[in-house]
Amino acid sequence: DAKTTQPTSMDCAEGRAANLPCNHSTISGNEYVYWYRQIHSQGPQYIIHGLKNNETNEMASLIITEDRKSSTLILPHATLRDTAVYYCIVRVGSNYKLTFGKGTLLTVNP
Amino acid sequence: DTAVSQTPKYLVTQMGNDKSIKCEQNLGHDTMYWYKQDSKKFLKIMFSYNNKELIINETVPNRFSPKSPDKAHLNLHINSLELGDSAVYFCASSQDLALGYEQYFGPGTRLTVT
Repeated sequence: DAKTTQPTSMDCAEGRAANLPCNHSTISGNEYVYWYRQIHSQGPQYIIHGLKNNETNEMASLIITEDRKSSTLILPHATLRDTAVYYCIVRVGSNYKLTFGKGTLLTVNP
Repeated sequence: DTAVSQTPKYLVTQMGNDKSIKCEQNLGHDTMYWYKQDSKKFLKIMFSYNNKELIINETVPNRFSPKSPDKAHLNLHINSLELGDSAVYFCASSQDLALGYEQYFGPGTRLTVT
Protein backbone atom coordinates (compact mmCIF):
# COMPACT_ATOMS: atom_id res chain seq x y z
CA ASP A 1 0.00 0.00 0.00
CA ALA A 2 1.17 3.53 -0.79
CA LYS A 3 2.58 5.71 1.94
CA THR A 4 0.65 8.78 3.10
CA THR A 5 1.82 12.07 4.61
CA GLN A 6 -0.40 14.17 6.83
CA PRO A 7 0.26 17.23 9.00
CA THR A 8 0.72 16.35 12.64
CA SER A 9 -1.92 18.78 13.85
CA MET A 10 -4.42 21.39 12.71
CA ASP A 11 -6.80 23.84 14.33
CA CYS A 12 -10.22 24.90 13.16
CA ALA A 13 -12.83 27.30 14.49
CA GLU A 14 -16.20 25.86 15.39
CA GLY A 15 -18.69 26.28 12.56
CA ARG A 16 -16.02 26.71 9.94
CA ALA A 17 -14.97 24.16 7.36
CA ALA A 18 -12.08 21.91 8.31
CA ASN A 19 -9.85 20.93 5.40
CA LEU A 20 -7.48 18.06 6.15
CA PRO A 21 -4.83 17.36 3.51
CA CYS A 22 -3.17 14.08 2.69
CA ASN A 23 -0.30 13.42 0.28
CA HIS A 24 -0.05 10.02 -1.40
CA SER A 25 2.29 10.68 -4.32
CA THR A 26 3.09 6.98 -4.85
CA ILE A 27 -0.52 5.88 -5.13
CA SER A 28 -1.19 3.33 -7.83
CA GLY A 29 -4.18 3.08 -10.12
CA ASN A 30 -6.03 0.44 -8.11
CA GLU A 31 -5.55 1.99 -4.69
CA TYR A 32 -8.36 3.72 -2.86
CA VAL A 33 -8.13 6.60 -0.39
CA TYR A 34 -9.87 5.99 2.94
CA TRP A 35 -10.42 8.27 5.89
CA TYR A 36 -11.00 7.23 9.47
CA ARG A 37 -11.02 9.23 12.66
CA GLN A 38 -10.44 8.40 16.30
CA ILE A 39 -12.00 10.52 18.98
CA HIS A 40 -10.09 10.41 22.24
CA SER A 41 -10.37 7.05 24.03
CA GLN A 42 -12.74 5.62 21.42
CA GLY A 43 -12.34 3.15 18.58
CA PRO A 44 -11.65 4.47 15.07
CA GLN A 45 -14.64 5.45 12.96
CA TYR A 46 -14.94 5.10 9.18
CA ILE A 47 -15.66 8.41 7.44
CA ILE A 48 -15.43 8.11 3.68
CA HIS A 49 -13.44 6.62 0.81
CA GLY A 50 -12.87 7.24 -2.89
CA LEU A 51 -10.89 6.16 -5.94
CA LYS A 52 -10.90 8.98 -8.50
CA ASN A 53 -14.06 11.01 -8.20
CA ASN A 54 -14.93 13.36 -5.39
CA GLU A 55 -17.20 11.79 -2.82
CA THR A 56 -19.66 13.19 -0.31
CA ASN A 57 -21.65 11.60 2.48
CA GLU A 58 -23.43 12.79 5.59
CA MET A 59 -20.17 13.20 7.46
CA ALA A 60 -17.73 14.72 5.01
CA SER A 61 -16.53 15.34 1.48
CA LEU A 62 -13.45 13.85 -0.12
CA ILE A 63 -11.67 15.78 -2.85
CA ILE A 64 -9.05 13.84 -4.82
CA THR A 65 -6.76 15.71 -7.20
CA GLU A 66 -6.80 14.75 -10.85
CA ASP A 67 -3.37 13.11 -10.64
CA ARG A 68 -4.54 11.36 -7.43
CA LYS A 69 -1.34 12.27 -5.64
CA SER A 70 -3.15 14.12 -2.90
CA SER A 71 -6.58 14.47 -1.36
CA THR A 72 -8.47 16.64 1.10
CA LEU A 73 -11.07 15.64 3.62
CA ILE A 74 -13.57 18.41 4.23
CA LEU A 75 -15.78 18.68 7.29
CA PRO A 76 -18.16 21.44 6.15
CA HIS A 77 -19.20 22.79 9.53
CA ALA A 78 -16.83 21.58 12.21
CA THR A 79 -18.15 21.11 15.74
CA LEU A 80 -16.33 20.54 19.01
CA ARG A 81 -17.23 16.85 18.70
CA ASP A 82 -15.14 16.64 15.54
CA THR A 83 -11.95 17.05 17.57
CA ALA A 84 -10.11 13.81 16.83
CA VAL A 85 -7.15 12.21 15.09
CA TYR A 86 -7.90 11.81 11.38
CA TYR A 87 -6.21 9.02 9.45
CA CYS A 88 -5.72 8.96 5.70
CA ILE A 89 -5.15 5.40 4.44
CA VAL A 90 -4.32 4.28 0.93
CA ARG A 91 -4.73 0.67 -0.03
CA VAL A 92 -5.80 -1.69 -2.76
CA GLY A 93 -9.55 -2.18 -2.72
CA SER A 94 -9.31 -5.92 -2.27
CA ASN A 95 -6.87 -5.59 0.63
CA TYR A 96 -8.88 -5.71 3.81
CA LYS A 97 -5.92 -4.95 6.06
CA LEU A 98 -6.01 -1.34 7.27
CA THR A 99 -2.63 0.21 8.04
CA PHE A 100 -2.94 3.27 10.23
CA GLY A 101 -0.25 5.99 10.25
CA LYS A 102 0.16 8.82 12.72
CA GLY A 103 -2.76 10.85 11.41
CA THR A 104 -3.65 14.51 11.97
CA LEU A 105 -4.91 15.76 15.30
CA LEU A 106 -7.70 18.17 14.46
CA THR A 107 -8.67 20.48 17.29
CA VAL A 108 -11.91 22.39 16.86
CA ASN A 109 -11.91 25.53 18.99
CA PRO A 110 -14.99 27.36 20.28
CA ASP B 1 -27.73 -1.58 20.82
CA THR B 2 -23.93 -1.44 20.76
CA ALA B 3 -22.67 -2.71 17.40
CA VAL B 4 -19.28 -3.97 18.55
CA SER B 5 -18.80 -4.55 22.24
CA GLN B 6 -15.75 -5.60 24.24
CA THR B 7 -15.27 -6.82 27.79
CA PRO B 8 -13.68 -5.84 30.00
CA LYS B 9 -13.12 -2.14 29.32
CA TYR B 10 -10.16 -2.05 31.70
CA LEU B 11 -7.88 -4.89 32.71
CA VAL B 12 -5.04 -4.58 35.19
CA THR B 13 -2.97 -7.67 35.84
CA GLN B 14 0.49 -8.83 36.79
CA MET B 15 3.25 -10.17 34.61
CA GLY B 16 3.00 -13.86 33.92
CA ASN B 17 -0.77 -14.07 34.22
CA ASP B 18 -3.13 -15.33 31.52
CA LYS B 19 -6.09 -13.16 30.54
CA SER B 20 -8.83 -13.02 27.92
CA ILE B 21 -10.65 -10.20 26.20
CA LYS B 22 -14.05 -10.85 24.66
CA CYS B 23 -15.59 -9.24 21.61
CA GLU B 24 -19.08 -9.50 20.19
CA GLN B 25 -20.71 -7.85 17.20
CA ASN B 26 -24.43 -7.76 16.50
CA LEU B 27 -24.13 -6.45 12.94
CA GLY B 28 -24.30 -9.81 11.24
CA HIS B 29 -20.81 -9.28 9.83
CA ASP B 30 -18.67 -12.15 8.55
CA THR B 31 -15.24 -10.68 9.33
CA MET B 32 -13.73 -9.65 12.65
CA TYR B 33 -10.38 -8.17 13.63
CA TRP B 34 -8.13 -7.47 16.58
CA TYR B 35 -5.95 -4.34 16.66
CA LYS B 36 -3.38 -3.16 19.19
CA GLN B 37 -2.76 0.52 19.94
CA ASP B 38 0.43 1.08 21.88
CA SER B 39 1.51 3.98 24.06
CA LYS B 40 2.71 5.90 21.00
CA LYS B 41 -0.82 5.65 19.60
CA PHE B 42 0.12 3.50 16.61
CA LEU B 43 -2.76 1.24 15.67
CA LYS B 44 -1.72 -2.11 14.20
CA ILE B 45 -3.74 -5.08 13.06
CA MET B 46 -3.06 -8.35 14.85
CA PHE B 47 -5.58 -10.88 13.56
CA SER B 48 -8.50 -11.18 11.22
CA TYR B 49 -11.12 -13.91 11.06
CA ASN B 50 -13.57 -14.51 8.25
CA ASN B 51 -16.43 -16.90 8.92
CA LYS B 52 -14.53 -18.25 11.92
CA GLU B 53 -11.39 -18.88 9.87
CA LEU B 54 -8.09 -17.13 10.51
CA ILE B 55 -7.20 -14.86 7.58
CA ILE B 56 -4.55 -12.50 8.90
CA ASN B 57 -1.98 -13.31 11.53
CA GLU B 58 0.55 -10.54 11.74
CA THR B 59 3.86 -11.10 13.50
CA VAL B 60 2.24 -11.53 16.85
CA PRO B 61 3.86 -13.68 19.59
CA ASN B 62 2.42 -17.15 20.07
CA ARG B 63 1.28 -16.04 23.51
CA PHE B 64 -1.63 -14.35 21.74
CA SER B 65 -4.31 -16.76 20.59
CA PRO B 66 -7.56 -15.61 19.04
CA LYS B 67 -10.63 -17.81 19.16
CA SER B 68 -13.81 -17.44 17.21
CA PRO B 69 -16.60 -19.69 18.53
CA ASP B 70 -19.02 -18.24 15.99
CA LYS B 71 -19.19 -15.39 13.49
CA ALA B 72 -20.42 -12.94 16.10
CA HIS B 73 -17.59 -13.48 18.57
CA LEU B 74 -13.83 -13.13 18.44
CA ASN B 75 -12.00 -13.51 21.71
CA LEU B 76 -8.35 -12.83 22.43
CA HIS B 77 -6.47 -14.91 24.93
CA ILE B 78 -3.04 -13.81 26.11
CA ASN B 79 -0.69 -16.15 27.98
CA SER B 80 2.23 -15.19 30.19
CA LEU B 81 1.55 -11.48 30.01
CA GLU B 82 4.54 -9.15 29.67
CA LEU B 83 4.97 -5.45 30.40
CA GLY B 84 5.10 -4.73 26.66
CA ASP B 85 1.61 -6.11 26.24
CA SER B 86 0.23 -3.03 27.95
CA ALA B 87 -1.86 -1.28 25.32
CA VAL B 88 -5.39 -0.64 24.19
CA TYR B 89 -6.85 -3.55 22.23
CA PHE B 90 -9.61 -2.85 19.73
CA CYS B 91 -11.94 -5.35 18.18
CA ALA B 92 -13.53 -4.52 14.82
CA SER B 93 -15.83 -6.10 12.27
CA SER B 94 -16.73 -5.63 8.63
CA GLN B 95 -19.50 -7.03 6.48
CA ASP B 96 -17.08 -9.30 4.67
CA LEU B 97 -13.56 -9.34 3.30
CA ALA B 98 -14.52 -7.60 0.09
CA LEU B 99 -16.03 -4.75 2.06
CA GLY B 100 -13.30 -4.77 4.66
CA TYR B 101 -12.57 -1.12 4.09
CA GLU B 102 -15.48 -0.11 6.31
CA GLN B 103 -14.70 -1.54 9.68
CA TYR B 104 -16.69 -0.93 12.82
CA PHE B 105 -14.58 -0.69 15.95
CA GLY B 106 -15.40 -1.51 19.52
CA PRO B 107 -14.68 0.84 22.43
CA GLY B 108 -11.37 -0.81 23.26
CA THR B 109 -9.93 -2.68 26.23
CA ARG B 110 -7.15 -0.93 28.10
CA LEU B 111 -4.74 -3.60 29.34
CA THR B 112 -2.17 -2.66 31.95
CA VAL B 113 0.45 -5.20 32.94
CA THR B 114 2.35 -4.45 36.14
